[in-house]
Amino acid sequence: EVQLLESGGGLVQPGGSLRLSCAASGFTFSSYGMIWVRQAPGKGLEWVSGIRGRVSVLSGSTYYADSVKGRFTISRDNSKNTLYLQMNSLRAEDTALYFCARDLSTAVTTGAHWGQGTLVTVSS
Amino acid sequence: QSVLTQPPSVSAAPGQKVTISCSGSGSNIDNNYVSWYQQLPGTAPKLLIYEDNKRPSGIPDRFSGSKSGTSATLGITGLQTGDEADYYCGTWDNSLSAYVFGPGTKVTVL
Repeated sequence: EVQLLESGGGLVQPGGSLRLSCAASGFTFSSYGMIWVRQAPGKGLEWVSGIRGRVSVLSGSTYYADSVKGRFTISRDNSKNTLYLQMNSLRAEDTALYFCARDLSTAVTTGAHWGQGTLVTVSS
Repeated sequence: QSVLTQPPSVSAAPGQKVTISCSGSGSNIDNNYVSWYQQLPGTAPKLLIYEDNKRPSGIPDRFSGSKSGTSATLGITGLQTGDEADYYCGTWDNSLSAYVFGPGTKVTVL
């Protein structure tokens, strides 16, 4: 059974940093694309970032929404089956529930399996 | 503002059918697969449809997807009270080099 468990959320001041983690189990982590999606309180889904799986000519390629480009960095440690999102220069508008999700394949286009999310609050 | 457009809400009586449209452009829907997600209140999203019209295992055939040009449609037949949720379309956008979600459609069972 595919399981994804996010952690690392919390309260941070504007301009601060936070690193989210997503521990994966139940599948060959390195083979799949992984994504981060966020949802601000009472709002819709926003795709944040994605990183491709290893079995691909684009292995490890990363992609970002314009709203986080240059501030957030997605990475993965295939030896630890863990996905990360390093978030710097945080703003109030980054406040949201952050989900990690696994793609159907090596791509970063389909959230086939989702975690329950970790809440990030940016406030002074 | 999303590059994809969905109606804010749709409603129908139990047992009836609803359709949800997702409108985009040549840089997204017209040239990339569309997925549909269901988000029940207080839960994580769930994949309903991928690659325009395919259902993951466990998704009933009451849910269907179609696409034509720059628009996609999610259909739900035999509407049930348990189908009350927010529904999102999503696809890759070649101009943005990023995935985009529609704004979401709230389905209400009357």
